Amino acid sequence: DAGVIQSPRHEVTEMGQEVTLRCKPISGHNSLFWYRQTMMRGLELLIYFNNNVPIDDSGMPEDRFSAKMPNASFSTLKIQPSEPRDSAVYFCASTPQGGNWNTEAFFGQGTRLTVV
Amino acid sequence: KQEVTQIPAALSVPEGENLVLNCSFTDSAIYNLQWFRQDPGKGLTSLLLIQSSQREQTSGRLNASLDKSSGRSTLYIAASQPGDSATYLCAVWGGTASKLTFGTGTRLQVTL
Repeated sequence: DAGVIQSPRHEVTEMGQEVTLRCKPISGHNSLFWYRQTMMRGLELLIYFNNNVPIDDSGMPEDRFSAKMPNASFSTLKIQPSEPRDSAVYFCASTPQGGNWNTEAFFGQGTRLTVV
Repeated sequence: KQEVTQIPAALSVPEGENLVLNCSFTDSAIYNLQWFRQDPGKGLTSLLLIQSSQREQTSGRLNASLDKSSGRSTLYIAASQPGDSATYLCAVWGGTASKLTFGTGTRLQVTL
């Protein structure tokens, strides 16, 4: 398996533009997570899905952020409109057997977002 | 709210030394604890997973222990090598919220 695949790897956009980050979890994994990493705050959970259903979105910073998981093999994180403070590395992770937490989480390589 | 702390924040050791990284968490009602490695500009690589019922796990030169009741875990690296230089993160599943909560990491540099 190729692991968790994220695209794009790097994104530079102007303030006010819409940004869409994409994630393909490992085949067969039931749970998918979106994290944001910054120097100041470290790794923060934004939202996670179990069987394509959003379970906890309490980490989504504000209404400008939205996430979808239309099927088991694809998820998007959208920021509209983007702001410079959204600049960070966004990671997607997946785990097998959602609801059974005695499993490893596997992370993608991340998307480095820069909003200028 | 689960809080995870890692000490030290940074560590520099000469090659060949054995070293210990520390992780503590405030809510002991966890399902498991996972140690990750992150190289600069890269993603997270899982090193070890310790389930809540286990005391330790070993993989090669790495040994991780878990004392759930005291809210602590350690990652022991034997005979360190320059290739071990990276940031090491611990993360716990569970507590009052069923999610993976990360510590702030320990940045390790192993010098020649």
